[in-house]
Amino acid sequence: SQTIHQWPATLVQPVGSPLSLECTVEGTSNPNLYWYRQAAGRGLQLLFYSVGIGQISSEVPQNLSASRPQDRQFILSSKKLLLSDSGFYLCAWCRGISYEQYFGPGTRLTVT
Amino acid sequence: AQSVTQLGSHVSVSEGALVLLRCNYSSSVPPYLFWYVQYPNQGLQLLLKYTTGATLVKGINGFEAEFKKSETSFHLTKPSAHMSDAAEYFCAVSGADSSYKLIFGSGTRLLVRP
Repeated sequence: SQTIHQWPATLVQPVGSPLSLECTVEGTSNPNLYWYRQAAGRGLQLLFYSVGIGQISSEVPQNLSASRPQDRQFILSSKKLLLSDSGFYLCAWCRGISYEQYFGPGTRLTVT
Repeated sequence: AQSVTQLGSHVSVSEGALVLLRCNYSSSVPPYLFWYVQYPNQGLQLLLKYTTGATLVKGINGFEAEFKKSETSFHLTKPSAHMSDAAEYFCAVSGADSSYKLIFGSGTRLLVRP
């Protein structure tokens, strides 16, 4: 069966510090991968998606970037965090032939 | 363009009462439709999905939804609410390109009163 992992689970970082969040999928190959953000009391915002290694599409221009160094690894990064980067970050995957997405447990990021 | 509207950011019901969460969509292609549930500080869990075929879809935890093309709706129902149903619910529609993106509604928080 397939499993999706995210770490860390929680993170508190000062403004201006770098960020690296990691997402890994097990039990499947060549998945589509997605990064979402939920700000407090708001819905899901799609940040990035990837349909293959090294292929990254950005949905919303902002202070973040994404990379996919391996088939089942998706990384969300920032060089300098802003207060507005606080939120709950979710990684998801789907098979490249289906819209059904499966979500990870999320990372709670607080920028102070 | 694809879009989803969830009517009511908060819905409150008594335990044992009918749950009805509304979702309307807009799609330029035949849609695939989904309902997800999110408990506090957790990821989203798939409740049910409509792809093709039978328009009444049954999901986990006693939930079901009916695809009504003429009304562009996909409302979520459960005959009898349980305290454990208290959560946030998201409706989503498939995108129209090869990225397999989902377009999510803004969510409805379900409160269940004892």
